[in-house]
Order: sequence, then structure tokens, then C-alpha cells
Amino acid sequence: DAGVIQSPRHEVTEMGQEVTLRCKPISGHNSLFWYRQTMMRGLELLIYFNNNVPIDDSGMPEDRFSAKMPNASFSTLKIQPSEPRDSAVYFCASSLGRDRGGQPQHFGDGTRLSIL
Amino acid sequence: QQQVKQSPQSLIVQKGGISIINCAYENTAFDYFPWYQQFPGKGPALLIAIRPDVSEKKEGRFTISFNKSAKQFSLHIMDSQPGDSATYFCAASREGGAQKLVFGQGTRLTINP
Repeated sequence: DAGVIQSPRHEVTEMGQEVTLRCKPISGHNSLFWYRQTMMRGLELLIYFNNNVPIDDSGMPEDRFSAKMPNASFSTLKIQPSEPRDSAVYFCASSLGRDRGGQPQHFGDGTRLSIL
Repeated sequence: QQQVKQSPQSLIVQKGGISIINCAYENTAFDYFPWYQQFPGKGPALLIAIRPDVSEKKEGRFTISFNKSAKQFSLHIMDSQPGDSATYFCAASREGGAQKLVFGQGTRLTINP
């Protein structure tokens, strides 16, 4: 079975440019999560969706960040304009979401983003 | 109150030894405690998880010990192997909070051959 697929794997761009990260969750999973990983702050949850609806975006750093999930098989995380401090590895994860917690989250291999 | 504190930051163990990583939490509403394993260039992968109705869970060489009164849980890796060298994250979430996991800071484990 295909796991969570993220693209691109690496992105290098200049400050001020728009960056779009993409995620395809595991088929049948109805919860999707975006995380950011840095050495200083570890793994941070940015936003998560349940049945394509954003449930909690309290982790989104600021208005420059936005995320969408137009359908059950695709999500994007957009940064506009990008800044050097946004450099990190961004992970997407999906799970069989239910009201009760405890469903394993399956992570993609991440997008390593470098903002120059 | 949402934090999960993990220690140590890094750990070096000889092959065949026992690796122990500890986590502590404050929020008593947490009721699901997974451990994730991450290799370089890969995303975290679920290793083992426990709920607070049991004090221990074992899967192969991996064991979670859970102390509800102390609000602590730990991962024990028995007969540690070089292939276990990775970064390990503990996490916690609460029922009714969907699956909003709060992660510890991670432990970089190195198993020397």
C-alpha cells in the first residue's frame, strides 16, 4: 500500500517567494496533519483536518501560512511570502480519524525547505 | 500543561544493552501515549503505544512502562542493536481532542557495535 506521499522532497527558494507543499494522504484516511520539524522546536503541529475540514489551526505561525484540503486525497500548505526562518522539514501525516484519540498517524517522508 | 518533556536528548548504548528513554507529562487528560521512531531522511513511524489502563506494554524488544500517578512513561529497548540507532519521540494526546499529538523533544539513540 502506498503511504503518505509528499512533494517536493526538497525545495530551495529565495526569501519572499511563494512556496507550496503538497500531500496525498493514505486512501481511506480522513484525518490529515501538517507538522514542522526544526532542531530548536522539534515537531510542531501546524494544522489538522478531519473530513477535509480544518479543525485546529492554532499551530500555524502567522498569516503567511495557509493550508487547504479541497478533497480527501490532496492537501497543500502554502507560505507566502517565505522567510529564512521558515526553513525546516515539513511533514504531512494521515490517520483514520475518529472522535476518540489514539489512531496511529502515518507520516510522509517530508519536504526539506530552505529559504535563502 | 500541554508539554511532554523527554530525556535524555541523546543516548549511547553498547550493542546488546538496554536503552531507556523517559517522558513526563502534566495534562491528566492525556490518555494515549505513543512512541515514534525516526530514521534520517524519513518521517516518524509509530513504534508502540499505550493507554493508561495498563502499566506496561511489550512488543518484541520494545516495552513501554507507564506510571499514572507520577505522570511518567518510558521506552525500554532490550538487546539494543545498531539498527535501532534513530531518533525516538514520545507523544501524548487526549480523548475528545481528536488526535492532536503533543510530541517530546526527541532522543537521538546511538547503538555502538
